Amino acid sequence: NAGVTQTPKFRVLKTGQSMTLLCAQDMNHEYMYWYRQDPGMGLRLIHYSVGEGTTAKGEVPDGYNVSRLKKQNFLLGLESAAPSQTSVYFCASTADSAPTTKKLFFGSGTQLSVL
Amino acid sequence: DAKTTQPTSMDCAEGRAANLPCNHSTISGNEYVYWYRQIHSQGPQYIIHGLKNNETNEMASLIITEDRKSSTLILPHATLRDTAVYYCTLGGGGSYIPTFGRGTSLIVHP
Repeated sequence: NAGVTQTPKFRVLKTGQSMTLLCAQDMNHEYMYWYRQDPGMGLRLIHYSVGEGTTAKGEVPDGYNVSRLKKQNFLLGLESAAPSQTSVYFCASTADSAPTTKKLFFGSGTQLSVL
Repeated sequence: DAKTTQPTSMDCAEGRAANLPCNHSTISGNEYVYWYRQIHSQGPQYIIHGLKNNETNEMASLIITEDRKSSTLILPHATLRDTAVYYCTLGGGGSYIPTFGRGTSLIVHP
């Protein structure tokens, strides 16, 4: 049972390049989230999904797109990377059931640098 | 607007109890209090959660005030490995959209 897996772990991009971050979970969770974390800051929600085929904007969605074509995968895309998107990105998931089980499971993060 | 507020930093001597407070004065009736911690730059890790009763597990204890407007995470015998950032969040009920503030940076010193 791998939990939440993020790929890649590290990436360096040039301004204007595009890339996709992949989040995969094997716990059959309905809810999935993408956060970014900048130095000295907490986690800020980019986009989230409450089920396969659904996505919604979080606190800081500009410059990112997401897709949830399969329940186990949540993709985060950067169409034209900017230096301001240099950050550590975390994916998380949780089950859609009783409130007592809504604890989040996080991936190990993707460190992205945009030059 | 932040739904929870926590002190920016705290320190604790190794072997002593670490008491981390969190204010959540606008908590709604069906919201649970969750605590997570983040060691270095790893992904946050779930610690404990509760609704209105005090809770204890192998990692920590959670004390929630009777009016539910604040809570305290207790690490009974802090070790150097407990040095981390601790986040208090709210969740439960309908759509779960957890938001995180900056958390409390706990430093455990020898």
